[in-house]
Amino acid sequence: AQTVTQSQPEMSVQEAETVTLSCTYDTSESDYYLFWYKQPPSRQMILVIRQEAYKQQNATENRFSVNFQKAAKSFSLKISDSQLGDAAMYFCAYRNPSGNTPLVFGKGTRLSVIA
Amino acid sequence: DTAVSQTPKYLVTQMGNDKSIKCEQNLGHDTMYWYKQDSKKFLKIMFSYNNKELIINETVPNRFSPKSPDKAHLNLHINSLELGDSAVYFCASSQDFGTGIRSQHFGDGTRLSIL
Repeated sequence: AQTVTQSQPEMSVQEAETVTLSCTYDTSESDYYLFWYKQPPSRQMILVIRQEAYKQQNATENRFSVNFQKAAKSFSLKISDSQLGDAAMYFCAYRNPSGNTPLVFGKGTRLSVIA
Repeated sequence: DTAVSQTPKYLVTQMGNDKSIKCEQNLGHDTMYWYKQDSKKFLKIMFSYNNKELIINETVPNRFSPKSPDKAHLNLHINSLELGDSAVYFCASSQDFGTGIRSQHFGDGTRLSIL
């Protein structure tokens, strides 16, 4: 079974600085999807960024980018120019490419942004 | 335009009662899911349905019974509520066949509190 590990329960960053959240996963599949979700105190689950494993190029969405290292099974999230609104729980998630498969989540990293 | 909507957002009830949570998606997706987020924020799949058919049942007690009247709706009925059922329940949907990365879209969650 696939597993996702987020080794940093909590992180903090100064406003306008850059922070990197770590995620590793375990799978025997060669193709799969990886995601980062943000959960602010409002508890909504907001998709931040996604990556297809067969694509070598790292995904980028505005201030959010990933460092995808397939051989190392690592999928870290970099947040640049951190803003107060970035404070939230961040979940890394894995999904098999076949239909009807659920997301497998890591335990999350709580990010605080210091003004 | 709410993509995935859950009702109610909050549910407070006594142990032993029976309650239901409703979920509707207007994205035209073919697969819907229920996830449970426990007090430590860990998210885990409970059920998934594809076109009204149960696909995944992750060893959830049979007090939990999902029902999908059509592919846009997936309701969760819980009998004989126990203290351990207190959690946030998320509904999600995705388009699992065809091309594309198959991201899951989440509802805002239902916080269930058992007294």
